[in-house]
Amino acid sequence: EAQVTQNPRYLITVTGKKLTVTCSQNMNHEYMSWYRQDPGLGLRQIYYSMNVEVTDKGDVPEGYKVSRKEKRNFPLILESPSPNQTSLYFCASSSNIYSNQPQHFGDGTRLSIL
Amino acid sequence: AQKITQTQPGMFVQEKEAVTLDCTYDTSDPSYGLFWYKQPSSGEMIFLIYQGSYDQQNATEGRYSLNFQKARKSANLVISASQLGDSAMYFCAMRGETGANNLFFGTGTRLTVIP
Repeated sequence: EAQVTQNPRYLITVTGKKLTVTCSQNMNHEYMSWYRQDPGLGLRQIYYSMNVEVTDKGDVPEGYKVSRKEKRNFPLILESPSPNQTSLYFCASSSNIYSNQPQHFGDGTRLSIL
Repeated sequence: AQKITQTQPGMFVQEKEAVTLDCTYDTSDPSYGLFWYKQPSSGEMIFLIYQGSYDQQNATEGRYSLNFQKARKSANLVISASQLGDSAMYFCAMRGETGANNLFFGTGTRLTVIP
């Protein structure tokens, strides 16, 4: 089954404790992206990757890091999480951002930073 | 710069009736794509329908259709014969400028279907 898998689905942690949210897709997609969703703001892009070893900042990259060492994986790293990073996070992938192919989203990761 | 506006924070519709969810956009790029996603209470994002800026006809997918008015820069989602399972948040999104890689989202509309 074609899917984007995020882990964990839920996480409560404390300020400053490094964490990683994993994202994996099995569709051989080149393009992957991370979004955060906050009430009243919709989804905003954090980082994206056009291919292996190619990443770039989205609209709200501060406080986040990403890496793309393999085509299928695109982890999101919070080196020193802060309470304002409490949010619902989505990983997405698509075959080609220029085509009419929609982005496929993972089920989301709800992070609470205390 | 691109911008997506959804002016209806919440909508109610009677079961089996049709409902229109509004979406307006702003872009200076002649080539763009518009998407609608559904987010049920369980949280996942479900792709519903796509409209390309050069498409001659309005997109349709089952009970979903897109009322695309290019001159007005609007891309409203029409859901026909509403069902209880249609209750969810609905997001309009626009693919960025040619060469960009972002998907810009509106703030969403929460649809509630009343039995």
